[in-house]
Amino acid sequence: DAGITQSPRHKVTETGTPVTLRCHQTENHRYMYWYRQDPGHGLRLIHYSYGVKDTDKGEVSDGYSVSRSKTEDFLLTLESATSSQTSVYFCAISPGTVGTGELFFGEGSRLTVL
Amino acid sequence: QQQVKQSPQSLIVQKGGISIINCAYENTAFDYFPWYQQFPGKGPALLIAIRPDVSEKKEGRFTISFNKSAKQFSLHIMDSQPGDSATYFCAALSGYQKVTFGTGTKLQVIP
Repeated sequence: DAGITQSPRHKVTETGTPVTLRCHQTENHRYMYWYRQDPGHGLRLIHYSYGVKDTDKGEVSDGYSVSRSKTEDFLLTLESATSSQTSVYFCAISPGTVGTGELFFGEGSRLTVL
Repeated sequence: QQQVKQSPQSLIVQKGGISIINCAYENTAFDYFPWYQQFPGKGPALLIAIRPDVSEKKEGRFTISFNKSAKQFSLHIMDSQPGDSATYFCAALSGYQKVTFGTGTKLQVIP
């Protein structure tokens, strides 16, 4: 299994509080991603990174920010959590091998916003 | 706006039958089409993938058929087994290794 660790794995928080999810990899892969998974919507890309300090928005980036100060860590921050951000969040990594589309996923972080 | 449309949302197949999942896309910039399999409580994992210049790719019981002119592709699971019960996602790759997923199909294979 790819060396990807997400923390925390489960979190319950209240509306308006800040939340940070951490993704740590031991594979030294260039690309890192944050997706959210919701019933009926599949996996939707929030933000991704193609190198240290290089990040870009995905299709559902509103209300989220990211940071990548080291190759191995990619942080997802909800500045002020809302109930609509209740979801399962997956981190993924990719070596960036041309033309494969292969991502390696973590186990997911389940976030509940009350 | 869903860039990759997937159907059906759920599928029940008898053991030994053929499971078929269909996907369609609009963006002609997509240049690789992977399929992912996800078991409950786990992250998705790559199952099989195809380039757009290939019409079919087979790996064991899993086959992708690709129709570039129609912008459609499908996953066929032959001789479906209860262990194949999972959620399947089609996906498409573009740009900076950016992968866009379909909405998923929950497959249940009954004995």
